[in-house]
Amino acid sequence: NAGVTQTPKFQVLKTGQSMTLQCAQDMNHEYMSWYRQDPGMGLRLIHYSVGAGITDQGEVPNGYNVSRSTTEDFPLRLLSAAPSQTSVYFCASSRKWSGGTQETQYFGPGTRLLVL
Amino acid sequence: AQSVAQPEDQVNVAEGNPLTVKCTYSVSGNPYLFWYVQYPNRGLQFLLKYITGDNLVKGSYGFEAEFNKSQTSFHLKKPSALVSDSALYFCAVRDFNSNSGYALNFGKGTSLLVTP
Repeated sequence: NAGVTQTPKFQVLKTGQSMTLQCAQDMNHEYMSWYRQDPGMGLRLIHYSVGAGITDQGEVPNGYNVSRSTTEDFPLRLLSAAPSQTSVYFCASSRKWSGGTQETQYFGPGTRLLVL
Repeated sequence: AQSVAQPEDQVNVAEGNPLTVKCTYSVSGNPYLFWYVQYPNRGLQFLLKYITGDNLVKGSYGFEAEFNKSQTSFHLKKPSALVSDSALYFCAVRDFNSNSGYALNFGKGTSLLVTP
């Protein structure tokens, strides 16, 4: 298994540009999520999905869109990039929490984004 | 809300000495606690988790963590540190707020530096 994969590894954008960060997993996990990591702030949840066709907002969703058309893929879209979105973005996946069992979240290698 | 705190931004230890990375939690009900490690320019790797059972949890790479309910702590430990243990360590707790899809809430991270 490749686990959780993310592309690109690094991207530079100009303010106002749009782009899509790709995330895929081959573990048949129902739950997928996007976090951003900023120095001194840990990881903050952007959006998440509990299954194909179902997405919802996390702690910091503004400026980002997601969709989940398949179990495997969970792309994150920046519609109009801003310097405040300069960050490292991590995708994670796990089995859906089912109350009484706790599934480990697996993380991708990250995408480093710089918005000028 | 479920949260964790990592009181130390950085921990320095000499190779061969025991190491401790601290984490305290604030939850309602029983906590589901995790430790992850992040090596430079890499994604987060799962180390160990506490769900229920023995208070001493053993994980990957010789790490262990002790769950202490009275002190609301979940400190990460290793009897003998290696230079290769130098990394960023995150404590996390499962968020039982259904609005997050049961995501993880992370601490801000502790940078561990092991010197030869």
